[in-house]
Amino acid sequence: DAGVIQSPRHEVTEMGQEVTLRCKPISGHNSLFWYRQTMMRGLELLIYFNNNVPIDDSGMPEDRFSAKMPNASFSTLKIQPSEPRDSAVYFCASSPTGAREAFFGQGTRLTVV
Amino acid sequence: GDSVTQMEGPVTLSEEAFLTINCTYTATGYPSLFWYVQYPGEGLQLLLKATKADDKGSNKGFEATYRKETTSFHLEKGSVQVSDSAVYFCALGQAGTALIFGKGTTLSVSS
Repeated sequence: DAGVIQSPRHEVTEMGQEVTLRCKPISGHNSLFWYRQTMMRGLELLIYFNNNVPIDDSGMPEDRFSAKMPNASFSTLKIQPSEPRDSAVYFCASSPTGAREAFFGQGTRLTVV
Repeated sequence: GDSVTQMEGPVTLSEEAFLTINCTYTATGYPSLFWYVQYPGEGLQLLLKATKADDKGSNKGFEATYRKETTSFHLEKGSVQVSDSAVYFCALGQAGTALIFGKGTTLSVSS
């Protein structure tokens, strides 16, 4: 199994630009999570999908952030416009039906300058 | 709401020392408990889990026992290695919700 695949691994962008992060969950998993990790705040849940439907987006910081899951094998997290305080490592994770553990991708390190 | 509290680091040990990282939780119902490990530049990896009270999870020499009476899930290893240097996260999972993580504990092992 290839595991959760995220792209890109690293992204450097200028303030004000649009950034799109991508995630391919493990095949057959029906839950998908986006987390953000920073030194100050630790690991924060941004949004959680179940069967492609957003279940909990209370962690999305503000309207500049949006997430979609058009099908079971793909999700995006978009930031528009980006700001320096968005600099962080963004993780995608997936989970199979009935399981409580999640399996993480390698993360995308985002730097906004 | 549910929450996880783990000891703050960093924890600095010599090789072959005994490791304990404390984790306590607050939760309603019957959560599952997990330890994840994150090596530098990588994602979180599931290290071990326990799904009910008195269960012991174990993997790679690490152990943790689900103690409902003390609401704890402390991580232990009898003899750490340099390769165990990483950040360790305690987490709680309930049906139909996302995992809740502690803030992480950095372990540094020197030879």
